[in-house]
Amino acid sequence: GQQVMQIPQYQHVQEGEDFTTYCNSSTTLSNIQWYKQRPGGHPVFLIQLVKSGEVKKQKRLTFQFGEAKKNSSLHITATQTTDVGTYFCADKGTSYGKLTFGQGTILTVHP
Amino acid sequence: ETGVTQTPRHLVMGMTNKKSLKCEQHLGHNAMYWYKQSAKKPLELMFVYSLEERVENNSVPSRFSPECPNSSHLFLHLHTLQPEDSALYLCASSQERGGGYGYTFGSGTRLTVV
Repeated sequence: GQQVMQIPQYQHVQEGEDFTTYCNSSTTLSNIQWYKQRPGGHPVFLIQLVKSGEVKKQKRLTFQFGEAKKNSSLHITATQTTDVGTYFCADKGTSYGKLTFGQGTILTVHP
Repeated sequence: ETGVTQTPRHLVMGMTNKKSLKCEQHLGHNAMYWYKQSAKKPLELMFVYSLEERVENNSVPSRFSPECPNSSHLFLHLHTLQPEDSALYLCASSQERGGGYGYTFGSGTRLTVV
């Protein structure tokens, strides 16, 4: 079945540094969704990307969908301690409602 | 509150027990899901219900039995579980067919099998 690979698994940054997580697939992704899960919490939907080459921004977060729709990235500018958590990408496949998640990137921000 | 409520938040059960997890969504969504989240593993889709009909069963062992009596409620019945079934069980809902945006997750049930 569809596999979505996410790297890195862990990332430690100093507050103020930038952070990027990458999502890759060997096959074409349908729609990419990004989620954030705070420690002890549940995944919260951030955004969906649909079109090839699409770029969306939410304040300090920038989301990109690759031209070939086989990869996606989430970039955070000037991290803050409130950014800590696990960031997941997920492929919204063609099967009805099915969402396949990557392994997630655990972000730690040191003050 | 996310609009998706799960109970109980924590559950400890023996391997011979029978228990049920409950999920209720107040968002008017037409699809509901059970996911399992274990340490160091991706979120694993277990079951999908669309308009109260099960459309996906991801090779889940029969000791897990879902039930969806209406579009707002979803249950996961548990019996004779194994210690490796200990995990966070997450319920989610979404609006498919015209909505198609993100899933809304509940806070989860932290299950420990002893």
